[in-house]
Formats: sequence, C-alpha cells, structure tokens
Amino acid sequence: EIQMTQSPPSLSASVGDRVTISCQASQDINNYLNWYQQKPGRAPKLLIYDASNLEMGVSSRFSGRGSGTRFTFTISSLQPEDIATYYCQQYDHFPVTFGQGTRLEI
Amino acid sequence: QLHLEESGGGVVQPGGSLRLSCVASDLSFSDYDMHWVRQAPGKGLEWVAFISKDGTKETYAAALKGRFNISRDNSKKTLYLEMTSLTTEDTSVFYCAREYGRWHDPWGQGTLVIVSS
Repeated sequence: EIQMTQSPPSLSASVGDRVTISCQASQDINNYLNWYQQKPGRAPKLLIYDASNLEMGVSSRFSGRGSGTRFTFTISSLQPEDIATYYCQQYDHFPVTFGQGTRLEI
Repeated sequence: QLHLEESGGGVVQPGGSLRLSCVASDLSFSDYDMHWVRQAPGKGLEWVAFISKDGTKETYAAALKGRFNISRDNSKKTLYLEMTSLTTEDTSVFYCAREYGRWHDPWGQGTLVIVSS
C-alpha cells in the first residue's frame, strides 16, 4: 500500500496569504496525484488532478506541482471561502490512498 | 453534468447488514468505473471499493474484503455497496464517486451509516 504523508495537519493563515500544503508518497506515483477540498458537511470537491492540472471551473489561485514522490498544493491568495480541509490522493496503484488532510483556518 | 445520489444509510446494530445505493442522473453511467469512499466522524477519507464499468472487475480495501461487496445495475444506473458484519468502526459517511481519468469526480452528497446498539 502506498502511504501518503500530508503536512501540515492544520494551518492558520490570513486572507491574502500564500498557503502551501505538502504531500509525500512512499513510492513513485507517476504524477497520479490529486487534490480535493472538503468543506464541513459537504462532499469532497476535485481541485487539481494529475499533480498540476486545474479542474475546469476551479479558481486559478489554486495550483499544484511536483513529481515522483513529492507534491505541493498552493493557494496563491487565501480567501475566506477557502476555509476547508484539503486532501491529497494517489491513484497510481490500488488501494487508492489519501493523505491525512490539512485543516485550513483563518 | 453527472449527478450522484446515495441512499440506504441509517442506524444498524453491530453484526448487522446494510445495502447502500447510489443512483446516477446520467444515461452514460455504464461508461464509468465507480468507487465507494467513506469518512468516519471527524476523520479523513478512506477508499472502500472499486467496480469497473461493466461490473466484471472489483477491488476492495484489504481490511474490508469479505465483508463488503460492490455491485452495479447499469440498466438502473445504480451502484450498490452491500455491507455485512458491521461494527462500530464502520460508522461513517459513505460517498460514491465516478472515476474520471485517475481521479474521482463528481462525488455524491454521502449517506450516513451509524452502527450502534
């Protein structure tokens, strides 16, 4: 099973801040790395797929990069509506695995 | 735009069984591989199971194999998750999700399963 180590587990930032979340895979995942946003009581929402591709309709202040085993997710200018928990996910091999999540607070 | 809606959650006693359903709004349901993902209260996301578009291939999280069974009826545009021998550890919101490429999109709104005596 591929382990996904996501950090930090929580993050407090201010409106307008640049925020970065990291995700490390226990082995090469061929860039099959996705990022989801989950707001309380809601289903996860896809933001970034295949490490760096922005899902259609998602704000361009969200971005992803990385390759191999190390990936990052960035919010260029934090907005109040970005308050949520963010998860990375690998789908290179079964079982599909998620990072532990990063809870973002303002 | 595909819409997924889960149902079938509720309160079940330990050792009991439950069948969840996920109905798709789109006639193209049969074109898509599908997944179940769950989330225990206050916890992270845990992948549960996968089924291929034609239902011939199934894959499960190792810890759940043998107790959970994923299936689908493409004529009804419906995905199922049959769960048996439930324990309190299975208390979760269960989401169905379409596989698109190597990611999940969209997700249903989830259905809550509570295992309690």
